[in-house]
Amino acid sequence: RKEVEQDPGPFNVPEGATVAFNCTYSNSASQSFFWYRQDCRKEPKLLMSVYSSGNEDGRFTAQLNRASQYISLLIRDSKLSDSATYLCVVGNAGNNRKLIWGLGTSLAVNP
Amino acid sequence: DGGITQSPKYLFRKEGQNVTLSCEQNLNHDAMYWYRQDPGQGLRLIYYSQIVNDFQKGDIAEGYSVSREKKESFPLTVTSAQKNPTAFYLCATQWGQGNQPQHFGDGTRLSIL
Repeated sequence: RKEVEQDPGPFNVPEGATVAFNCTYSNSASQSFFWYRQDCRKEPKLLMSVYSSGNEDGRFTAQLNRASQYISLLIRDSKLSDSATYLCVVGNAGNNRKLIWGLGTSLAVNP
Repeated sequence: DGGITQSPKYLFRKEGQNVTLSCEQNLNHDAMYWYRQDPGQGLRLIYYSQIVNDFQKGDIAEGYSVSREKKESFPLTVTSAQKNPTAFYLCATQWGQGNQPQHFGDGTRLSIL
């Protein structure tokens, strides 16, 4: 089993749609969780950190379910500019500070 | 990200040649990382460094070397031993002692001539 697994998609949705991505992780001792966005041929950029209580940033909502070991990202009112690959990232316990990267879920928002 | 500079943006390597990719940061972050990304693939860790004069191998270190003589700089050398170097190389930095997010430079694309 991969340490971090995501549905690769692609997800094709119309503008204005709500879309949800899930990500599962294998290490129950994982301590930190993030969603990144990567545009084609660009570097990944931090979208949001994911906290145990869940958090929201505008149209984006992230949730963490430790019992089931999954993280979700909900995008409401999709815009054309949301088209990108969304990377789920998990940080494990310990001092090595390494992050474990999912392969990403591709989203295409269509007019 | 502002504060992390990778150069050059594009680089071409001849057979048998070593090339060095630069990564400089002014964020005062302790940890620095090098990743490789192939088309349609995820990020794979090459090397990382948590403090000056110390670094560790990542998952695919063979054919690569690094140094960390200054906090601000973490250059990556792609040696002739790396037989398939064509990829997108990303440098990242990370702040703090715990599990913090990483922030990236805008990458270097390396191709074989």
